[in-house]
Amino acid sequence: EAQVTQNPRYLITVTGKKLTVTCSQNMNHEYMSWYRQDPGLGLRQIYYSMNVEVTDKGDVPEGYKVSRKEKRNFPLILESPSPNQTSLYFCASRRQGNSPLHFGNGTRLTVT
Amino acid sequence: AQKITQTQPGMFVQEKEAVTLDCTYDTSDPSYGLFWYKQPSSGEMIFLIYQGSYDQQNATEGRYSLNFQKARKSANLVISASQLGDSAMYFCAMREGNFGNEKLTFGTGTRLTIIP
Repeated sequence: EAQVTQNPRYLITVTGKKLTVTCSQNMNHEYMSWYRQDPGLGLRQIYYSMNVEVTDKGDVPEGYKVSRKEKRNFPLILESPSPNQTSLYFCASRRQGNSPLHFGNGTRLTVT
Repeated sequence: AQKITQTQPGMFVQEKEAVTLDCTYDTSDPSYGLFWYKQPSSGEMIFLIYQGSYDQQNATEGRYSLNFQKARKSANLVISASQLGDSAMYFCAMREGNFGNEKLTFGTGTRLTIIP
């Protein structure tokens, strides 16, 4: 089944404890990106990648890191999480050309 | 200025009626794409329909259609014969420029509730 898989689905952590949210897609998509969703703000792009070893900042990159060492994986790293990073996170991918984003099921992160 | 504006935070509609969800956008780029996504209470984001700026006809996908009025910069989603399962958040989104641009800008969403 074609899908974008994120893990974990739920994560509760404390301020300053490094964490990684994994994202993997099995559709051989070139483009991958991370979004966060907050009430009243819609979805905002954190980082994106147009291919292996190519990443770029979105609208809200502060406090996040990403890497794209393989085409299928695009992990999101929070080196020192803070409470303002409590949010619902989505990984998404799409193929080249005029195509929609395919989203993962989301990761609900709480930082206390 | 907001790139994508959804002016209806919430809507209540009787089952089987048609629904129009409003979306206006702001761009100076002649090439852009408009997308609608559905987010049920379970949280996943489901792609519904796409309209390209150069498309001559309004997009349709089953019960979903997009009322694209380019001069007014609006891209309203129309759901015909609404069903209880249509209750969800709906997001309008835009991608500007050439297809190498990976940024998708989302509106703040409309929560649709279908009443039996």
